[in-house]
Amino acid sequence: DTEVTQTPKHLVMGMTNKKSLKCEQHMGHRAMYWYKQKAKKPPELMFVYSYEKLSINESVPSRFSPECPNSSLLNLHLHALQPEDSALYLCASSQVYTPGGRVGDTQYFGPGTRLTVL
Amino acid sequence: EDQVTQSPEALRLQEGESSSLNCSYTVSGLRGLFWYRQDPGKGPEFLFTLYSAGEEKEKERLKATLTKKESFLHITAPKPEDSATYLCAVQALSGSARQLTFGSGTQLTVLP
Repeated sequence: DTEVTQTPKHLVMGMTNKKSLKCEQHMGHRAMYWYKQKAKKPPELMFVYSYEKLSINESVPSRFSPECPNSSLLNLHLHALQPEDSALYLCASSQVYTPGGRVGDTQYFGPGTRLTVL
Repeated sequence: EDQVTQSPEALRLQEGESSSLNCSYTVSGLRGLFWYRQDPGKGPEFLFTLYSAGEEKEKERLKATLTKKESFLHITAPKPEDSATYLCAVQALSGSARQLTFGSGTQLTVLP
């Protein structure tokens, strides 16, 4: 089973709202990712968690706040977003990188949350 | 800087008309090259991981190959349900092992 689930599927929010995106995987993966994807563009990496600790933050504005409460769950808290933040938000997971190893490289993506900021 | 270039940007095929998609890359040591399929409004679906030149992998009508500079995704006798955007991504040995560098994708349309 290589399933990553994301909720909600769609989200519409105003610029003053606070909302959260959720991601879950039960593959035993210890690395989880948030990506942002605009129309007709490839995914852009936002955050990486490894063993529930934030390991990469790609200079994302503070209005996006990630959280990894346990090894299966990943949240993205949203506050005071701008209309240009409207996009498809993707969660992915992989096994943990092992130097010289190959198992664990592949990232499996969820179906995404379509976010619209009014 | 790692770079991935996919061509063509868009490809229209008749059902049954075989073709290939190209992914050219420059990376300071390749850890892995990945192919994904993405349908509109959905997350990328994993297809293949390739690690070294000469490696080939197949799945149904798809076959991925890898050289030191590029990868091809061969589509044999495509069907309309193969219509999607195909994304290629590379992961480098150096730097963060977590990061993928994506190409811009090839949008494939298969006409019945």
